[in-house]
Order: sequence, then C-alpha cells, then structure tokens
Amino acid sequence: RKEVEQDPGPFNVPEGATVAFNCTYSNSASQSFFWYRQDCRKEPKLLMSVYSSGNEDGRFTAQLNRASQYISLLIRDSKLSDSATYLCVVNMRRVTGFQKLVFGTGTRLLVSP
Amino acid sequence: SAVISQKPSRDICQRGTSLTIQCQVDSQVTMMFWYRQQPGQSLTLIATANQGSEATYESGFVIDKFPISRPNLTFSTLTVSNLSPEDSSIYLCSVEEQGAGTGELFFGEGSRLTVL
Repeated sequence: RKEVEQDPGPFNVPEGATVAFNCTYSNSASQSFFWYRQDCRKEPKLLMSVYSSGNEDGRFTAQLNRASQYISLLIRDSKLSDSATYLCVVNMRRVTGFQKLVFGTGTRLLVSP
Repeated sequence: SAVISQKPSRDICQRGTSLTIQCQVDSQVTMMFWYRQQPGQSLTLIATANQGSEATYESGFVIDKFPISRPNLTFSTLTVSNLSPEDSSIYLCSVEEQGAGTGELFFGEGSRLTVL
C-alpha cells in the first residue's frame, strides 16, 4: 500500500463549482498534514496545513480524520486559476527525530469557463 | 520565506555522463532536501543533506549514483552519475524555513534533466 494515496483525476469542473479531493495515508504515526499546489512545470508550493479541528482559508477548507487516516480538501466557487495539481503531503517524523515529507501523486483539477 | 536558486534549470545529457545541480539558499538552513519528480509522478525524496556530515539517503538511492555536497549552510550540490534515460526527471532542492517547525518546505524551481 502506498504511504499516501490520491485519486489522480483529472477533475473537470465548470467555474463556480465546488470540488472535493480526498487522500488517505498509511502511517498512523504521521504527525502533520498539508496540501500543496503544483502548477504545470512549476515547483510545489504550500496551499494550506491541515489541522485536526479542520481549517478554512477563504474558498479552501481542509479536514483531517485521524481515525480513518483520511484528509480532504474542498474548493468552493472554483476559479479558472485554481487549475493545477493538488498534492496531499504527510509529515512522518522518524525515530531519529528528523522529519520526512511524503507526497501523494497529486490530483489534477481543470476548471473550465 | 526562503528563496532558492537552482542551476541549471534544464539540461540534455548523453548517457554515461554526469550532471551536477547546484542549489543556493538566501538564508542559512540546517537541512536541505533533494527530491526527484519523474514524468507523471509525484515527488520522491532522494536524500537529506546536512552541513558538516554525510547526506542521509532514502531507500533505493545510493551515494555512488547521487553524490551530494553540503559545504556550508546556504549551498548544496546533487550529482546524478552515469546517466541513463531512466534518470530523465525533474530534480528539486528544498528547505524548511529555519526554526519554523511547521513542516512547510520551500522548493527551488527545479532542474529538468533529459538523458538521451
């Protein structure tokens, strides 16, 4: 089983739509979670961290379910500029104390006019 | 946030040769991370480079193939040796903001390698 699994998509949605991405992780000892955004031929950039209580940043809402080892990202009122690949990232702190960020394969979103 | 410069941004190399990628950060950082992103794939950690010590390699990556230097707190190089077409990939340097403890990584723009 992959450490971090995502539906690769693509998700094709019209402008204004609401879209949700899911991600599961295998290591129950994982400590922190993130969604990164990667535009075509660009480097990944942090979109938002994911907290146990759930968190919202404008049109973006992230949620974490530790019991089910499941993370989600909800995008409301989709914009054309939201078209990108969204990477689910899990921080697995090792016994040495150093962290290792494990990236999912990403979910591609295409927002059309 | 850290600003990271990578060189070269892209290169085309012949099989059997080597390519060295440079990564320069605008601030001092303890650890620098080297990732690989193969076509259509996500990022895979190659190794963690600490200043003043040997790099720590992930499973499936070895020092002979991916030697790393870390001469100071703002600079690192990754060499991809004895190139084969399977090494065609984007190589990314990244750092965590010093002292932040947030787990957020900042990435260079990547070095796109094509091996013929």
